[in-house]
Formats: sequence, C-alpha cells, structure tokens
Amino acid sequence: KAGVTQTPRYLIKTRGQQVTLSCSPISGHRSVSWYQQTPGQGLQFLFEYFSETQRNKGNFPGRFSGRQFSNSRSEMNVSTLELGDSALYLCASGPQGLYGYTFGSGTRLTVV
Amino acid sequence: AQSVTQPDIHITVSEGASLELRCNYSYGATPYLFWYVQSPGQGLQLLLKYFSGDTLVQGIKGFEAEFKRSQSSFNLRKPSVHWSDAAEYFCAVFNFGNEKLTFGTGTRLTIIP
Repeated sequence: KAGVTQTPRYLIKTRGQQVTLSCSPISGHRSVSWYQQTPGQGLQFLFEYFSETQRNKGNFPGRFSGRQFSNSRSEMNVSTLELGDSALYLCASGPQGLYGYTFGSGTRLTVV
Repeated sequence: AQSVTQPDIHITVSEGASLELRCNYSYGATPYLFWYVQSPGQGLQLLLKYFSGDTLVQGIKGFEAEFKRSQSSFNLRKPSVHWSDAAEYFCAVFNFGNEKLTFGTGTRLTIIP
C-alpha cells in the first residue's frame, strides 16, 4: 500500500514568489491535513480537507491556501513568500483524523 | 484549548538501557493521544495511539505507552533501546472540534554505545 506522497521534496524560492506543494494521500483516505514544522514554532496546523471541503484552518495568514480534488489529492499554495515561510511542510492523510494520520516525508521549502 | 507538554528537550540513553519519554496533556474531554517519531529529514511515523480501554497500549518497534488520567500523562516507554531508535519523538492530542493534532515540542533522543 503506497504511503502519502509529497512533491517536490525540496524547493528553493525567492521572497515575493509563490509556491504550490502537492500531496497524494493513501488510497481511500478522504481527510488530508497540512502542517508546518519549524525549529522555532514546532509543528503547527495549517488546514484540513475532507471530501474537497476545507473543514478547518489554523492560525496562518491568508497567503496560505489549499484545495483538495475529487481524487483526494491536495495542494497547498503560499503566495508572496517571506523568509519566515522557510519550513518543512508535512501532509497527512487518514480515513478520519481520530484514527491517526499517516504523514508524508514533507517538502522542505527554503525562501531566500 | 488543548495543549501538550514534553518536558524533556533532549535525552541521552545508552544502547540496551530502558527509556521513558514524558508527555503531559491538557484537554477538556476524553483525549485521543498519539506518539509519533521523526528521523532526520523525514516525516512523522505513528508509533502508537490511545483512544479508550486499556491504559497500556502497545505500538510498533517495541514501544508502549501508559495513559494516566489522574496525572494527565501519556508516557512512552521501551525496555531496551537500539541505536536505530535515535530520533525525535512527538506526543500529540487530537481535537475533534477542528480535526487537528496538537503536538508537543518534541524530545530528541540520542543513543550512545
């Protein structure tokens, strides 16, 4: 059974640019969540999607957005990148969150 | 609001020795608790989870955790650590209201020969 796949693994962007990260969940999982991990703030919840609907959003500015497609694949977008957006972005999928999420290996975003 | 505290930032243990990583949580209802492990440059791997029932739960890689409601704790244990257990460990509580995992700050585990 394939795991959660995130692409790309590494990304370097310049301040002011925008970026799109992709996540393919485990087959059959309808809930997809995104987390940001930084040394200073730790693991922080970005948003959660279920059946193409954003059900919950964390405390991040509007520059952070996402969507989920009918096949449960998800993308997150960050516009007008800032240096502080440099982080490991983790995607997780599950049948429902309470059963435990399976995480991908993450996308390491560096903003220069 | 829910929160998770992992009081130990870094722990060093000799290979073959026993291990206990501490986790305290704050949550208004019955908690759903998780332990995840993260190797350098990797994502999070689920070690074990507690929903209800037996307070001692078994996980993968020989880990176990004990839920103690009176102490609001969910400590992770392993009787004998291996060099491959060196990683960062995260405790988390699941919030039904917003389908969100709240993580602790993590404990970095170093294994010495």
